[in-house]
Amino acid sequence: SYELTQPPSVSVSPGQTARITCSGDGLPHQYAYWYQQKPGQAPVLVIYKDRERPSGIPERFSGSNSGTTVTLTITGVQAEDEADYHCQSADNNYLWVFGGGTKLTVL
Amino acid sequence: QITLKESGPTLVKPTQTLTLTCTFSGFSLSTFGMAVGWIRQPPGKALEWLALIYWDDDKRYSPSLKSRLTITKDTSKNQVVLALTNMDPVDTATYYCAHKTPDSGFYYFDQWGQGTLVTVSS
Repeated sequence: SYELTQPPSVSVSPGQTARITCSGDGLPHQYAYWYQQKPGQAPVLVIYKDRERPSGIPERFSGSNSGTTVTLTITGVQAEDEADYHCQSADNNYLWVFGGGTKLTVL
Repeated sequence: QITLKESGPTLVKPTQTLTLTCTFSGFSLSTFGMAVGWIRQPPGKALEWLALIYWDDDKRYSPSLKSRLTITKDTSKNQVVLALTNMDPVDTATYYCAHKTPDSGFYYFDQWGQGTLVTVSS
C-alpha cells in the first residue's frame, strides 16, 4: 500500500528555518496536507493543497512540492512551533494515508 | 462553527468489539460533499487513518483494517459510529473523528475532535 516517509525528528534553533520533508510515490498526483500536533492535543491543519495556508495559521508556515517530495517550511521558528508534524495525502483509490510524523525540537 | 466529540468506552477487553460515537455540530451529513472520518494514534506513534463516510453513504476503509471496521451514520442525530471488531492490545490508541473538507477532489480534515483514549486490556 501507499506510504509517506518523514524524518523522525528535526531540530532547529529559534529564529532559524525548519524544513520537514515527506516523500511518497503518489505525491506528484495527489496534494499533500500538513498537520501540527502539540502534546495532548488533536492535530491542527497548517497547510493544505501542498502550499495553501488556512486562515489563522502564521505566515511563517509554508509548503512546497517537488514531485515525490513535499516540504513544510517554518521560517523564523518560534518556541511555540515545537510539536509533531504529520503529512497526509490520498492514493489513487481515494484512500487516505498519513506519514510517520516528525518531531520538531526548538533548541 | 464545526465541532466534533468522540465518546465510547475507555477500556475494552481483547476480542471484544469497540463501538465509538462521533457527535458533531455545525454541519449536516446530509449535505452534498460532507464527510466524517476516523483516525487513531497509538501512544507515541503516528496517526493512522481508519475510515470515512460521505453524505451519500459512500464509505472508505483502511485496507489493513477493512475486515474489522464498520462505519455508519445517523443523520438525524448528527452522529457517526465506528465499530472495530476483535480488539487486541495493539489497538490501544487515541481515536479521533474529524470533518473532511467539503471541497470535492481534496482530501484533508479541517476540524478534529479532541480524541478519546481506548485501552485494550484484560
